[in-house]
Amino acid sequence: GAVVSQHPSRVICKSGTSVKIECRSLDFQATTMFWYRQFPKKSLMLMATSNEGSKATYEQGVEKDKFLINHASLTLSTLTVTSAHPEDSSFYICSASSLGRTPQETQYFGPGTRLLVL
Amino acid sequence: QQQVKQSPQSLIVQKGGISIINCAYENTAFDYFPWYQQFPGKGPALLIAIRPDVSEKKEGRFTISFNKSAKQFSLHIMDSQPGDSATYFCAASGRGGKLIFGQGTELSVKP
Repeated sequence: GAVVSQHPSRVICKSGTSVKIECRSLDFQATTMFWYRQFPKKSLMLMATSNEGSKATYEQGVEKDKFLINHASLTLSTLTVTSAHPEDSSFYICSASSLGRTPQETQYFGPGTRLLVL
Repeated sequence: QQQVKQSPQSLIVQKGGISIINCAYENTAFDYFPWYQQFPGKGPALLIAIRPDVSEKKEGRFTISFNKSAKQFSLHIMDSQPGDSATYFCAASGRGGKLIFGQGTELSVKP
């Protein structure tokens, strides 16, 4: 149980285009989803926290107009990288927290999405 | 105050040996301390976690030791195996669930 999927697993796009990454909780309902970014051989940096049906809360320094987050249902959150540039190339990972539990105890991570912007 | 400092950055251990990774935090509001294992190209997976009301927690070969007064906690991997070779992250969080990750430790277990 507690499986989180991400799609796509890998994406290559041209500079200036937008890319959407999906995060799904497959066997549980997620009231809270978190989006992280990870550079090679570096730690995970929290980008934003999203709660179902409300606007995402972004961490300091994260451009909300560039990284659009939508959490329209209890099983799906999306991250859209708008007008992507090479510096946006990174490994993006989501995590989902199950309904009825405290978020800190039940963060299940997705497998990540590798984005390469040419 | 939100930082979690992790050491060492890399660790090489012989098969059967004990791997020890240490973390320190500043924020006394943190009340949940998990450890994650991450293989290359994959998302992190929860290994074991502890709350400050206990000083030690053991699950199989993995043990967390927690020192509340020193604001430090560590992961011990007993009988380390080559399959344990991965990057390990400590983390800390308070209410709301935001995880603050340590810098990571790249563990290599030599056969």
